[in-house]
Amino acid sequence: GESVGLHLPTLSVQEGDNSIINCAYSNSASDYFIWYKQESGKGPQFIIDIRSNMDKRQGQRVTVLLNKTVKHLSLQIAATQPGDSAVYFCAEISMDSSYKLIFGSGTRLLVRP
Amino acid sequence: DTGVSQNPRHKITKRGQNVTFRCDPISEHNRLYWYRQTLGQGPEFLTYFQNEAQLEKSRLLSDRFSAERPKGSFSTLEIQRTEQGDSAMYLCASSLESVNTEAFFGQGTRLTVV
Repeated sequence: GESVGLHLPTLSVQEGDNSIINCAYSNSASDYFIWYKQESGKGPQFIIDIRSNMDKRQGQRVTVLLNKTVKHLSLQIAATQPGDSAVYFCAEISMDSSYKLIFGSGTRLLVRP
Repeated sequence: DTGVSQNPRHKITKRGQNVTFRCDPISEHNRLYWYRQTLGQGPEFLTYFQNEAQLEKSRLLSDRFSAERPKGSFSTLEIQRTEQGDSAMYLCASSLESVNTEAFFGQGTRLTVV
C-alpha cells in the first residue's frame, strides 16, 4: 500500500508500552479537538474527540488531554498493539465554520513486536 | 469499511484532461465534505455540502474545480484541465448534523497527473 506518512515525525514504541502523541494547535476559538488514525491506503478514522471546555477525556485504551493555556493536545494509547501502527493526526473544528476539519501535522506511530 | 464509497480508487490522467470523481456517503448523512491530501500532509478542506447545498468552498478550490451533490446523496468532484500540481489523494467524508465531530472518510481517489 502507499505510504501516508513520508517525512513525518515518527514515534517508535515497544508492543505493550504506552504511547503519547503530541500536537500543537493554532486556533484558540476551536470548539472541538479530534484525533484521527490513518493507515496506509485508507482514509482517516475517527478515534476520539474532546470539547474545548474539557481537559481530559478517556475512551477504550485511549485518553486525550487538552491544555488550552499552551494550545497543546495529546493522545495517549495504553498497551500499544501492532494494529495501532499508523499515522495520527489531530484536527480542530469550529462550530461557526461548517464543522470542517482543520488537520494538524501528523505523527507516524511504529509499534515494535 | 466506513460505509463511504469513493470511485475510482486510482486515476492516472494526462495533463490537460478532465477528471471526475464520485463519492457515495453513508445514506442518512446530510453533511458531505471533500478534502485533498498530499504525501506527508494532513487532509486539507476543499468544500462542504449540507444536503444538496454547497455551503462553503476553500480558496484551494480554483475555478478548474467544481463539485456537485444534485440530490443530496452522492457527490461528484470534477477537475478540468488537470495540472501536475493536482496530483493528490482526494478524500470524501460524511457526517450526521446531530453528531458534529465524527466524520467518516472514504478510502479516497488517488489522482496522478502525468
